[in-house]
Amino acid sequence: QITLKESGPTLVKPTQTLTLTCTFSGFSLSTSGVGVGWIRQPPGKALEWLALIYWDDDKRYSPSLKSRLTITKDTSKNQVVLTMSNMDPVDTATYSCAHTKKGPSWGPAVMNYWGQGTLVTVSS
Amino acid sequence: QTVVTQEPSLTVSPGGTVTLTCASSTAAVTSGNYPNWFQQKPGQAPRALIYTTSNKHPWTPARFSGSLLGGRAALTLSGVQPEDEADYYCLLYYGGALVFGGGTKLTVL
Repeated sequence: QITLKESGPTLVKPTQTLTLTCTFSGFSLSTSGVGVGWIRQPPGKALEWLALIYWDDDKRYSPSLKSRLTITKDTSKNQVVLTMSNMDPVDTATYSCAHTKKGPSWGPAVMNYWGQGTLVTVSS
Repeated sequence: QTVVTQEPSLTVSPGGTVTLTCASSTAAVTSGNYPNWFQQKPGQAPRALIYTTSNKHPWTPARFSGSLLGGRAALTLSGVQPEDEADYYCLLYYGGALVFGGGTKLTVL
C-alpha cells in the first residue's frame, strides 16, 4: 500500500525559505522508474506542478519557479524534500507530494498516488 | 509560458454523457503530451483517472474514457453518476515540464 505524507511549517513569513518533507511508504526511490513529484493548489484555485525527482536523481522543475526550487531525496529515510526560497503571500497554498511512475508503459510522468497535502500560509 | 485551457464549468444530467476537453496554447495536443486526467472532490486529494491519453488506472470506473479529439485531450463520462460531481484537471507533458489545466467544475443536476 502506497502512502505519502507532507510535513512542514504551516506559516512562513515573506522572503523566508520554505522547507517541506514528503515521507512515504509502500515503495522505494531506488526502484527504476519511480519518482516523487510536488504540486501545489492555492485556496479555490487550480493545481500547479512544481518539481519532480526520479530514482536516478533526475530532477525536473517548473520553468516559472525553477530559480526558487530545490528538490532532493533521501532514499534511506524514504523522504523527498522541497525547498522554495523567497516566499510571498501569493505562494499560500496546499502543497502535496505524489508517487510518480515513468517508463514505456507509463510515459514520462504518471502521478498515481497523492498525499493529502499541507496548507502553507505566507504572512507577516 | 504554456497555458492549458479547460472548460471552467459543465453541467450534465444523471445518466447522461459529457466530454471535457484540454487545449494547449502552443499547438495541438498530441499523444506526445501524454495527457493525464485527475478528479478532485472538495476537501480531498486529487485522484488519478487516466494516463497517456486513454489508459485507466485499476480504480478508474469504466464510464470514464480518455481520447484525443480535434487537437485536444478529452475525458468522456458516459452514464454519469451523482458522485461524479467534482473538479477535473488535465495534465500535459512538455519535454520535461508538466502543466496542469485550469480545471473543469462538473455539476450533475
